[in-house]
Amino acid sequence: DAKTTQPPSMDCAEGRAANLPCNHSTISGNEYVYWYRQIHSQGPQYIIHGLKNNETNEMASLIITEDRKSSTLILPHATLRDTAVYYCIVLGQTDSWGKLQFGAGTQVVVTP
Amino acid sequence: GAVVSQHPSRVICKSGTSVKIECRSLDFQATTMFWYRQFPKQSLMLMATSNEGSKATYEQGVEKDKFLINHASLTLSTLTVTSAHPEDSSFYICSARLPYNEQFFGPGTRLTVL
Repeated sequence: DAKTTQPPSMDCAEGRAANLPCNHSTISGNEYVYWYRQIHSQGPQYIIHGLKNNETNEMASLIITEDRKSSTLILPHATLRDTAVYYCIVLGQTDSWGKLQFGAGTQVVVTP
Repeated sequence: GAVVSQHPSRVICKSGTSVKIECRSLDFQATTMFWYRQFPKQSLMLMATSNEGSKATYEQGVEKDKFLINHASLTLSTLTVTSAHPEDSSFYICSARLPYNEQFFGPGTRLTVL
C-alpha cells in the first residue's frame, strides 16, 4: 500500500473549517484514501473514504485531486470535540483483509 | 456505524501473569478482526490479523507465542498476553470489518503490568 505524508500538527478555531492535507504521490489505481481520527485514549473512528470522486458525509468532506496524488479532509465547522489525531491511510481493495497501517497522523487542536 | 466492544477497558496485573482481552462486534458479523498496540505518544502498530476459524497472521516482530489470538466466532476475538512483563504495558485496540468495508474499532484496553 502507498505511503502518506501529513503535517504533524494543525490548529483550528472553533466554528471555522479545518482543511487537513495528505500527500500520497505513489497511490495506485485501485487504492482508496481512508481517513480515521483518534481522540485521546480512545479507539480510532472512521470518518470517510474515497477512490477518485469527492465524497461527503455527515462528518466531513473528502477532496481528492484529479491526479489522485493528494487529498484534503474538510471538517466544515470544527468544534472542540474534533480535537484529535487524524490519520490519512491508503488501502487497496484487492486485499479483502484490508490491513490498515497507521502513520503519525496530524494532531488537530481546535481552540475556542 | 457498527459497534465494537472490548473488555476489560483497563487491567492491572503482576509481572508473569497472563491477561485476556476480548473484542466483540455487537451488531455485525466480522469475518476479519485486527489487533493493534499503541505506546504513549506513538501511532497504532498492527500486531496481527485474524480470520474466523483460522490461525492468526502476525506482523513481523510480534511473538505469536506471547500474544495468543483466538477468533472462535464471527463476533468474538480474544488476545491473551502470556507471561506479561512491564514492557508489555500498552494500549491494545481491536478492530473488526466485513470484506471490502471500512474497519470499526473498539474503545481500547489499557494494560499496566507491574
